[in-house]
Amino acid sequence: DAGVTQTPRHEVAEKGQTIILKCEPVSGHNDLFWYRQTKIQGLELLSYFRSKSLMEDGGAFKDRFKAEMLNSSFSTLKIQPTEPKDSAVYLCASSLGGTSAEQFFGPGTRLTVL
Amino acid sequence: GDSVTQTEGQVALSEEDFLTIHCNYSASGYPTLFWYVQYPGEGPQLLFRASRDKEKGSSRGFEATYDKGTTSFHLRKASVQESDSAVYYCALSESGGSNYKLTFGKGTLLTVTP
Repeated sequence: DAGVTQTPRHEVAEKGQTIILKCEPVSGHNDLFWYRQTKIQGLELLSYFRSKSLMEDGGAFKDRFKAEMLNSSFSTLKIQPTEPKDSAVYLCASSLGGTSAEQFFGPGTRLTVL
Repeated sequence: GDSVTQTEGQVALSEEDFLTIHCNYSASGYPTLFWYVQYPGEGPQLLFRASRDKEKGSSRGFEATYDKGTTSFHLRKASVQESDSAVYYCALSESGGSNYKLTFGKGTLLTVTP
C-alpha cells in the first residue's frame, strides 16, 4: 500500500513568495493533518481535516497559512507571503480516525526561505 | 489544554546501555498515549500505544507502561543499539469527543555510539 506522499521534498523560496506544498494521504483515511517541525518547537499542528471538513486551524498560523482539502485524496498547504522564520520541515499525516488511531506521516517537505 | 512533557531533550548512550526517556502528561480525560520514533529524513512512525491504566505497550525491545496515578508513560529499553539513534516523541490523544488530533512532546534526540 502507498503511504503518505508529499511533494516537493525540498523547496527554496525568496521572502515574500507564495509557495504551495502538496500531500496525498493513505487511501481510505478520513483524517488529515499538517504539522510544522522545528528543532526548537518540535511538532506544531497547523491544520486538521476530517472527511475534508476543517476541524482545527492552528491559531498562530492562521494569517499566512492556508490548508485546503479539495478531495479526499489530495491536500495543499499554501504559505503566503513566506518569511525566513517559516523555514522548517512541513509534515503531512493521515489516519483512519478514532482516539487510538495511528497517524501515518509522509517524509516531509523541507522549506528554506531566504 | 492537554500537554506532554519530555524531560530530556537529548540523550547520549553507548551500545548496550539502558535507556529511559521520561514522559509526563496533563489531560482532562482519559487519553490514549503514544510513542513515535523519527529517523533522519523520514516522518515519525508509531512505535506503540496504550489506552488503559497499567497497560504496557512494547515494540522492538522498547516498552512503556501507562500510569494514570503519576500521569506518566516513560520509554525504556534494556540494551540500546546504534540503529536506535533517532528522535523519540511522546504524544497523547484526547479521550471522548470527535477531535482525534495528537498533542506531542518536544521530542528527545537519542544518540547511541558503538
